[in-house]
Parts: sequence; C-alpha cells; structure tokens
Amino acid sequence: GDSVTQMEGPVTLSEEAFLTINCTYTATGYPSLFWYVQYPGEGLQLLLKATKADDKGSNKGFEATYRKETTSFHLEKGSVQVSDSAVYFCALTHRAGNMLTFGGGTRLMVKP
Amino acid sequence: DTAVSQTPKYLVTQMGNDKSIKCEQNLGHDTMYWYKQDSKKFLKIMFSYNNKELIINETVPNRFSPKSPDKAHLNLHINSLELGDSAVYFCASSLEWGEQYFGPGTRLTVT
Repeated sequence: GDSVTQMEGPVTLSEEAFLTINCTYTATGYPSLFWYVQYPGEGLQLLLKATKADDKGSNKGFEATYRKETTSFHLEKGSVQVSDSAVYFCALTHRAGNMLTFGGGTRLMVKP
Repeated sequence: DTAVSQTPKYLVTQMGNDKSIKCEQNLGHDTMYWYKQDSKKFLKIMFSYNNKELIINETVPNRFSPKSPDKAHLNLHINSLELGDSAVYFCASSLEWGEQYFGPGTRLTVT
C-alpha cells in the first residue's frame, strides 16, 4: 500500500535559519503530494501541494518540488520565523476515495 | 465563517459507552472524511464518504460508523468505547478530487 516517510523531529532551529524537512513516498502511479501544517491546539492547514512530477508547490516562503525519480517531496524555507513553530505533515492522495496518507509528522521549533 | 466545524471540542467518557461526534461543512463540498490522530501525532484515514459511496479503511473496527444525514454533515458514531479509542478525531471535506479542508478536531478521552 501507499506510505509516506518523513524525518523524525523535533527539528530545532534559530530564527532566520534554513529549513529542510525530508519526505519520501511509496505509491503506485502518480499520486498528488501535500504538506500540511498543524499549529498547537489547532487542526491541519494545507501549506502547499503538487499534483504532477516536477511541479513546485509554494506558499508563505515554503517550497517543495515533486521529484518522481527520487519519490521525494522535501519541504524547504530559506529563513524560518518563530511563528513557523508547528508540526509539519507530508501526505499523498490517490484518486480512489481521495483519502490522504500521512507521514508521521515533524515537529519544528524555532528559537528567537 | 467557520468552514468545517466539529462538536464537541472535548469529549470525556467511560469505557463501554456509545458516543457521537458531529461534523458540518459550509463549503458546498460533496465528499467528507474522518481521520484519527493518536497520541504520537500519527494521522490515519478512517472513512471517505460522498453521496455515491462510502470507503472504509480496513483497519477501522466496525464499532465506528459514519452517518450522513445530508451532504453538509458527516457524524461519527462509536459504540462500546475502548481505552484505545482515545485520540483526536478530525473531520475534513473536499470537492470530489480536490484539496481537503480540516475541522479543528475533537479530543476524545476514554477512562
């Protein structure tokens, strides 16, 4: 079946540092790929998405590129802020039922 | 305006009880979902439902059942609650193949 693997956290960075959170997936065919963010005590918000190979999703300074050759969708941000502290989830869907398969989540902590 | 809402936000109950969690969306979406997030933050799909079909994750016990009175609502009924059912339950909705919008979650604690 489908699966998503992302780096375990927590990831602790200083403000303005560069962020990378690795995500790789296993799936048949051509899934759509997503990054969701969960702030403390809240639900999930879609951060960005990519629906086909070589697509780059971007939002709020975050970027991720759909790499089919390496089955990866790594999340990057050039300069993190304290307000980026949250749990980040990589996920994929297949058209059957449009159900999301999530990675285990990576907690990011940004210190001033 | 709240897009996807859930009630209650917190639910504390005893083992063996039957409980329901309600979900409503005002986005005009035709597909709704339930996800379970365990204490380690791991998220797993439980159900996907639209007016054509219900898709059930095979790992979900049959004590869990979704019930949809109309397109805007998908409630989750849980019978004979067990300690292991303690988790945060998230409702989500989408157009049939579109991106999903999540509710704020319901924290269920079974004692």
